Amino acid sequence: SQTIHQWPATLVQPVGSPLSLECTVEGTSNPNLYWYRQAAGRGLQLLFYSVGIGQISSEVPQNLSASRPQDRQFILSSKKLLLSDSGFYLCASTEGYYGYTFGSGTRLTVV
Amino acid sequence: AQKITQTQPGMFVQEKEAVTLDCTYDTSDQSYGLFWYKQPSSGEMIFLIYQGSYDEQNATEGRYSLNFQKARKSANLVISASQLGDSAMYFCAMREGRNDMRFGAGTRLTVKP
Repeated sequence: SQTIHQWPATLVQPVGSPLSLECTVEGTSNPNLYWYRQAAGRGLQLLFYSVGIGQISSEVPQNLSASRPQDRQFILSSKKLLLSDSGFYLCASTEGYYGYTFGSGTRLTVV
Repeated sequence: AQKITQTQPGMFVQEKEAVTLDCTYDTSDQSYGLFWYKQPSSGEMIFLIYQGSYDEQNATEGRYSLNFQKARKSANLVISASQLGDSAMYFCAMREGRNDMRFGAGTRLTVKP
């Protein structure tokens, strides 16, 4: 079964600072990878997904970007954080037609 | 258009009683999967149960069962014998084929002792 490692668990960053969140997957190869964001008490918003190395699709235009430099590595970045980027970020992985395996999430607070 | 609708922002249930969390979905695909996830306050997303669109029997996993009514496009989660540890957010989700999974807004369940 898949295991997703996501770090850091919590992060407090000032407005205008850069961001890099990393997600790595074990126990599978060539998975589809996803970044979701969840505002406090709300549902999950799909930000980016990737079906392979270097292939990134964006769902929502914003100041965030994603990259997939290796098959099992997915990175979420920003050059300059906004207050509205605060939230809980979840990385997810899936194979085939089945459900997602989620990482433990990163709680980002932009101050 | 919203594909997954959870109309109950919050629900309360007495410990040891059963509770039903509602979920309706919208799709024109014949092949899709329906999922329920639990999210405790720690934030992790815990997979609970899966129902395939071609499955004729309702899915069950321990105390969780999925009341699948295909014609009504309904996939309600039933939790039997509620426990205090069941207090959490619950998300219904749908995946059409290999497409992305779409989530409902969630229902916050509180189990009262």
